Amino acid sequence: TQLLEQSPQFLSIQEGENLTVYCNSSSVFSSLQWYRQEPGEGPVLLVTVVTGGEVKKLKRLTFQFGDARKDSSLHITAAQPGDTGLYLCAGRNSGGSNYKLTFGKGTLLTVNP
Amino acid sequence: DTEVTQTPKHLVMGMTNKKSLKCEQHMGHRAMYWYKQKAKKPPELMFVYSYEKLSINESVPSRFSPECPNSSLLNLHLHALQPEDSALYLCASSQVALIADTQYFGPGTRLTVL
Repeated sequence: TQLLEQSPQFLSIQEGENLTVYCNSSSVFSSLQWYRQEPGEGPVLLVTVVTGGEVKKLKRLTFQFGDARKDSSLHITAAQPGDTGLYLCAGRNSGGSNYKLTFGKGTLLTVNP
Repeated sequence: DTEVTQTPKHLVMGMTNKKSLKCEQHMGHRAMYWYKQKAKKPPELMFVYSYEKLSINESVPSRFSPECPNSSLLNLHLHALQPEDSALYLCASSQVALIADTQYFGPGTRLTVL
């Protein structure tokens, strides 16, 4: 069973601060997706990373896939209250049952005005 | 357009009721999924449909019965549920099921079983 360790589990910061969320595994993933979910809503896809070492930017969000495709990070610059939500990383297995997404446990981010 | 729609948004049912959840996508995706999500936990996979055929059942109790009438629609029929089945039920789709592919989620149905 492939596991994704996501940290931190909870994060409460002030508006304007920077933060980084990490997803780590001992297994290789063929791709990794980051989602943001608001209470009572479905996860909304932020980005998919596929290539080792890949960096993608989405406005104030920067996503990185590790060189060995075992880890990923999400960095938010100058956080805003609208960034509040549950951030989930999800990896596609590199072999075998690759229909299945392995989810991290999520990071619950609160950005206070 | 990357939209997956789900109805109803909220559902309250008794343990003896029969109800259905509906999911629809018009992205031409050939893989569709049902997930169950408890509060502040990640989604848990229940079923995978690939080309309208059930590919994966993650040992889900028979009181949950999925159905895929066509490539755009996915239903989840509910019967004799238990209070612990209360959760957010999410539908997702992807282009195909068996290779690395991005899954797009619907907004979910909040189910409460009394």
